[in-house]
Amino acid sequence: SAVISQKPSRDICQRGTSLTIQCQVDSQVTMMFWYRQQPGQSLTLIATANQGSEATYESGFVIDKFPISRPNLTFSTLTVSNMSPEDSSIYLCSVSTGADTQYFGPGTRLTVL
Amino acid sequence: AQSVTQPDIHITVSEGASLELRCNYSYGATPYLFWYVQSPGQGLQLLLKYFSGDTLVQGIKGFEAEFKRSQSSFNLRKPSVHWSDAAEYFCAVAAGGGSYIPTFGRGTSLIVHP
Repeated sequence: SAVISQKPSRDICQRGTSLTIQCQVDSQVTMMFWYRQQPGQSLTLIATANQGSEATYESGFVIDKFPISRPNLTFSTLTVSNMSPEDSSIYLCSVSTGADTQYFGPGTRLTVL
Repeated sequence: AQSVTQPDIHITVSEGASLELRCNYSYGATPYLFWYVQSPGQGLQLLLKYFSGDTLVQGIKGFEAEFKRSQSSFNLRKPSVHWSDAAEYFCAVAAGGGSYIPTFGRGTSLIVHP
């Protein structure tokens, strides 16, 4: 398994601003993922972030809105840009340890006013 | 592409009663199957997983699940529910085989009455 931490745990932001969420893993992992969980909904994959390459975005998500960095094998950031109230969600980081299983961080609860 | 159906949005049980949460999947080959639990304000915790072998899988916190290929199901069970089991439960299916991304069901909210 892997121990994953996220910062911040929650934030309240104003419309039009940006927030960067950090994800730290206690071991080196190849694949990291970012998910969005809108209120009362299931998880939707935003993008896959592999170290040393550009993130791969799912349909409906674009790099200009959700830029991702993956500078090394234990860290990634997701930025939510030019936020609107529709971006209010829980954002979850997860990793695959190579055993075909994903482990999740505690999530960042974002509220946009 | 794979898909997951969790037909029950909410399930209410009394503490000490047995529990079964339903999960049906759609996938052409043998899937990788998972159950995750999300407590209020928390991230997702892996309860158990099935890749192959014994179709009855034991997980953490006293949970088990049974893979039934003929019914395309992977239902989660617990013989005696505790108040702390109140949470959101997500079933997920993946193609497996290395680089994979699971598809999650919409979740079932478990309410436990004292």
